[in-house]
Amino acid sequence: QKEVEQNSGPLSVPEGAIASLNCTYSDRGSQSFFWYRQYSGKSPELIMFIYSNGDKEDGRFTAQLNKASQYVSLLIRDSQPSDSATYLCAVKGDNFNKFYFGSGTKLNVKP
Amino acid sequence: DGGITQSPKYLFRKEGQNVTLSCEQNLNHDAMYWYRQDPGQGLRLIYYSQIVNDFQKGDIAEGYSVSREKKESFPLTVTSAQKNPTAFYLCASSIDLFRAGANVLTFGAGSRLTVL
Repeated sequence: QKEVEQNSGPLSVPEGAIASLNCTYSDRGSQSFFWYRQYSGKSPELIMFIYSNGDKEDGRFTAQLNKASQYVSLLIRDSQPSDSATYLCAVKGDNFNKFYFGSGTKLNVKP
Repeated sequence: DGGITQSPKYLFRKEGQNVTLSCEQNLNHDAMYWYRQDPGQGLRLIYYSQIVNDFQKGDIAEGYSVSREKKESFPLTVTSAQKNPTAFYLCASSIDLFRAGANVLTFGAGSRLTVL
C-alpha cells in the first residue's frame, strides 16, 4: 500500500498570511505530485502539479518537491478567505496512472 | 464544454439493493477511475481502466463492479455485498501516460450515495 501522509489540521491563518501545507509519501518510485483543493461537498480541483525537485510557482501558489526527503509542500501567499478548503496531496507512482491521495489538510483563512 | 458528467448527484438505496452510478466523459481521455471518499478521509481507489474492455481492481474493489464498453463511459455498480456503501463517489479521467500533458486527474462533480 502506497502511503501519502498529511496533517489533517485544521490549519488556521489570518488573511494575507502565508499558508504552508505539507505532505510526505512512502514510495520512492513516485514520479508526479499534485495538489488538489476541495471545497466542502464538492469534487477536488487541481491547483498544481510538480515533477522535478525544487520549486514551481503559479500565481499565489508555490509547490516544493524534495524527492530525497520524500516531501512535497504547497505554499499559499496572501491567503484569502476563499482559500478556505481542504487541500489534498496526490502522488502518482511509476506504474501507469495510479494516483494515491492523502487524507487532506483543512485550511481556514480568517478575515 | 469538455468534462466529466456523473449521475445521479444524490442517491438513496435500501440495504440489499444494487445501484449503478453513471460516469461519462467527453475529454477523449483514455484512463478512467472510481474513487470513494468518506467524511474526513482522502480518496480511495475502487477501480480503474486504461482502455476499453479492460479494467483493474484498486485498493477497495470488494463489493463493487465496473464495465468499460465505451471509451466515454465507466459505470460503477455498488452491490449488496458492499458492507458500508454510504459515501461520496468520484469518477475521474486522465490522458494516457505516454502522451504530452498526461498524468493529471480530472474529476466529475461526484455522486453521494446514502444507504437507508
